[in-house]
Amino acid sequence: QSVLTQPPSASETPGRRVTISCSGSRSNIGSNTVNWYQQLPGTAPKLLIYSNNQRPSGVPGRFSGSMSGTSASLTISGLRSEDDAHYYCASWDDSLTGPVFGGGTKVTVL
Amino acid sequence: QVQLQESGPGLVKPSQTLSLTCTVSGASISSGGYYWSWIRQQPGKGLEWIGHIYYRGSTYYTPSLRGRLTISVDTSKNQFSLNLNSVTAADTAVYFCARLPFDYYSSGLFDYWGQGTLVAVSS
Repeated sequence: QSVLTQPPSASETPGRRVTISCSGSRSNIGSNTVNWYQQLPGTAPKLLIYSNNQRPSGVPGRFSGSMSGTSASLTISGLRSEDDAHYYCASWDDSLTGPVFGGGTKVTVL
Repeated sequence: QVQLQESGPGLVKPSQTLSLTCTVSGASISSGGYYWSWIRQQPGKGLEWIGHIYYRGSTYYTPSLRGRLTISVDTSKNQFSLNLNSVTAADTAVYFCARLPFDYYSSGLFDYWGQGTLVAVSS
């Protein structure tokens, strides 16, 4: 059971937009920033969004993040076939005094 | 370019100790500025932070593994290691090493990851 809650799956056709939610509590998202990772099959997670809505160098602008209260979301606009992957949210939990992750959302590009 | 590479046995017997090493290249652990972390992913499940270490030896462990877990660092070899004792099948997972920037400590931001290594616990 992951500390942060994500829907297990989402799907959309190429070119459309998909939004993934990440729900937490006051001790994690409500007090700390959120990061998002993309994991392609058989590979390590890659940092996609940090500090709620910042993109590392090299991440396309069609990936965006937002946060409100104790929830966060990742939006992929102009969906492409290479976006077919698992996406994980992460934050810090003040009670655990450590990083916490969501259970992951599998995005399928139809 | 910073690279992390995990190494260690792919099969461990129940009740024995799981030992993994992460070798860092392109950055010096002893330079400071980062915590060096272990994260695991059990089959078909999400990511779980295990613990991390600072180059001076300060360690931080997830409560559920505290008591079985030791993370250590060898700055002379630019490596850090994980030892998890009394393993069971529940410890079967892909284990990743990763870097956590000091400036983003309370954030869950890991900027570089190793490719991961699968460790199966089985007799």
